[in-house]
Amino acid sequence: EAEVAQSPRYKITEKSQAVAFWCDPISGHATLYWYRQILGQGPELLVQFQDESVVDDSQLPKDRFSAERLKGVDSTLKIQPAELGDSAMYLCASSLNSQRGTYEQYFGPGTRLTVT
Amino acid sequence: GQSLEQPSEVTAVEGAIVQINCTYQTSGFYGLSWYQQHDGGAPTFLSYNGLDGLEETGRFSSFLSRSDSYGYLLLQELQMKDSASYFCAGSGAGSYQLTFGKGTKLSVIP
Repeated sequence: EAEVAQSPRYKITEKSQAVAFWCDPISGHATLYWYRQILGQGPELLVQFQDESVVDDSQLPKDRFSAERLKGVDSTLKIQPAELGDSAMYLCASSLNSQRGTYEQYFGPGTRLTVT
Repeated sequence: GQSLEQPSEVTAVEGAIVQINCTYQTSGFYGLSWYQQHDGGAPTFLSYNGLDGLEETGRFSSFLSRSDSYGYLLLQELQMKDSASYFCAGSGAGSYQLTFGKGTKLSVIP
C-alpha cells in the first residue's frame, strides 16, 4: 500500500539553527499539506499545495518558515531560525484533488522536532 | 473559520460500546471526518459524513446532525488496540481543508 514518506523521523536542534523536513506524497496525489501538531492537540494546517502552487499559507509564520514543492511532487519545509516554541510534530499529508481528497487525507509518520 | 469541541478523555471497558461526541461552529460547513491516531503514529482516516445520518464501517459508525451542529463516532466491541486519540475534523465548502478538533484520548481497559 502506498504511503507518505517523511524524513527525518526525529530531529533535535538548538535554537537559532536552521532545520528542514522532507515529504514525499503518495504518487498521483496533487494536494499536499504540512501540519504542526503540539502534544495533546489536533493537527494545525501550516501550508497547502496544489501541485507546485501554494493554495494557502495563511497560518505559516513566514518570518521563519518556508515551504516549497518545486516540481509538484516532493516538498520541503524549512525553519530558520528555530525557536523553542517550534518543538512539535510536523506532519505531511497528501490527497487527491477532489472534495473526497479534502476529507480523506493520508498522513506520513511525521518528524518530531525538539528545539533546545 | 471553524472550531470543533470534543471531550479530552474517555475510558471504556474492552468489549463495550463508546461514543465520542463532537460539536462544531463553522461557516460554510461541508462535512465531518474522523481520524484515529495511536501514540507516536500518524493520523489515519476512519470515516466521513457529508449528509445527516449514520455511516457504518465495521465496528465503527459515525453520525452527523447538521441542524444540531453535532456528530459522534461510535466504537463497538471495543478492543485494546482501539486505545488511541480520535479527532473530528470539519471541512468547509470550497476550502479543500480540514480543521481538526483537539482530540479525544480513548483508553480501553480490561
